[in-house]
Amino acid sequence: AQKVTQAQTEISVVEKEDVTLDCVYETRDTTYYLFWYKQPPSGELVFLIRRNSFDEQNEISGRYSWNFQKSTSSFNFTITASQVVDSAVYFCALSPRSGGYNKLIFGAGTRLAVHP
Amino acid sequence: GAVVSQHPSRVICKSGTSVKIECRSLDFQATTMFWYRQFPKQSLMLMATSNEGSKATYEQGVEKDKFLINHASLTLSTLTVTSAHPEDSSFYICSASGRRGPTGGEINIQYFGAGTRLSVL
Repeated sequence: AQKVTQAQTEISVVEKEDVTLDCVYETRDTTYYLFWYKQPPSGELVFLIRRNSFDEQNEISGRYSWNFQKSTSSFNFTITASQVVDSAVYFCALSPRSGGYNKLIFGAGTRLAVHP
Repeated sequence: GAVVSQHPSRVICKSGTSVKIECRSLDFQATTMFWYRQFPKQSLMLMATSNEGSKATYEQGVEKDKFLINHASLTLSTLTVTSAHPEDSSFYICSASGRRGPTGGEINIQYFGAGTRLSVL
């Protein structure tokens, strides 16, 4: 099965707290891409990161960091020192090679609310 | 770079009318465009995939005659909801992937438009 699970439906934090959004995926492919997208209240999905299945190095971009672990099929996303502007729905997605890297299999999304 | 424009952002129409939604890639050539539907507080559901100059490939359960997709150029795809009914009310969002110009590298990332909120009365 090809599947992405985001077990956290909603998370609520106070500004400046760190928060980790979990993503677990299933795929029979050995080659695939993993993505994170942000959907603010305006509705547009904003691309955050793409990770190749062969690259398990963690990535940091400002307050954002991603931890990819093939052993546990997880691709977790951490926001450090959260801000109100981080409030959005975050989607993790899988693009397997068997789909020609064309199809994005989305998780259900995690709604993050950051309160002042 | 990699900007996708979707228009209109919101449309309200009477039951039985047809509605056309446009999706444009502004700074790259969209060899593949995707149309999704999103219900409130839910994930995105892929409706169809279209390659420039080819017929769209629809996902199971999506009515081809209801949701007409045209991808006539490398920068434009349209979704027409024909004879819309209240149950078609939803948030429709397009995405595009492609390449940067005739000799540019592939962009194997889907970039999304801002979405269209359709309300059928």
